[in-house]
Amino acid sequence: QVQLVESGGGVVQPGQSLRLSCSVSGFTFSSADLHWVRQSPGKGLEWLSFISDDGKIQYYADSVKGRFTISRDNSKRILALQMDGLKSDDSGVYFCARGHSELPLSYFDYGGRGSLVTVSS
Amino acid sequence: QFALTQPASVAGSPGQSITISCTGTNSDFGSTHFVAWYQRRPGEGPRLIIYDVRSRPLGVSDRFSGSRSGNTASLTISGLQSDDEGQYYCSSYTATHGPFFGGGTRLTVL
Repeated sequence: QVQLVESGGGVVQPGQSLRLSCSVSGFTFSSADLHWVRQSPGKGLEWLSFISDDGKIQYYADSVKGRFTISRDNSKRILALQMDGLKSDDSGVYFCARGHSELPLSYFDYGGRGSLVTVSS
Repeated sequence: QFALTQPASVAGSPGQSITISCTGTNSDFGSTHFVAWYQRRPGEGPRLIIYDVRSRPLGVSDRFSGSRSGNTASLTISGLQSDDEGQYYCSSYTATHGPFFGGGTRLTVL
């Protein structure tokens, strides 16, 4: 059974940083491309970032480029999202997702339940 | 990138069929094969149920079907069941902007 579990969310002030983690089970972590997606009341679902199975390729949405960094440790089976320079617009539920086996950039097939990030002064 | 518009909510009784629409704001949506539907049931993460307009991932019930006419894609759920309740999102993709989503439709099974 594919499972993804996010952690690390919380309440921070604008300008501060937060690091999210995602642990997985039920599939071979090192063979999977992965995404971060967030859901916020004002914007619905928003794709944020993608990382290839070997970590060599990363893509970012314009809204987070230069502020967020996606990374992975295949030896520990951990996906991470380092979020710097947080803004109030970044508030939302962040979830990690597994890229689809055939079209990993275009689709994901399973996502976690998410971790809540609140950016507020 | 174009916007995707979905109805906020739909409802149906057990056993009935319902259809959720997703309209793209420009004609590119009518020609791309990157059209997907995601299901998010309460307390669960999202799950892909349709991709490439009408393809179903392994393990997804054939009660779920996708189609498109012009700039509007549709998800049809037949034989509605109580555990179909949740949010449904359409999605598309461009190489420039990556995946993007409609606002979501809440399905209520009466």
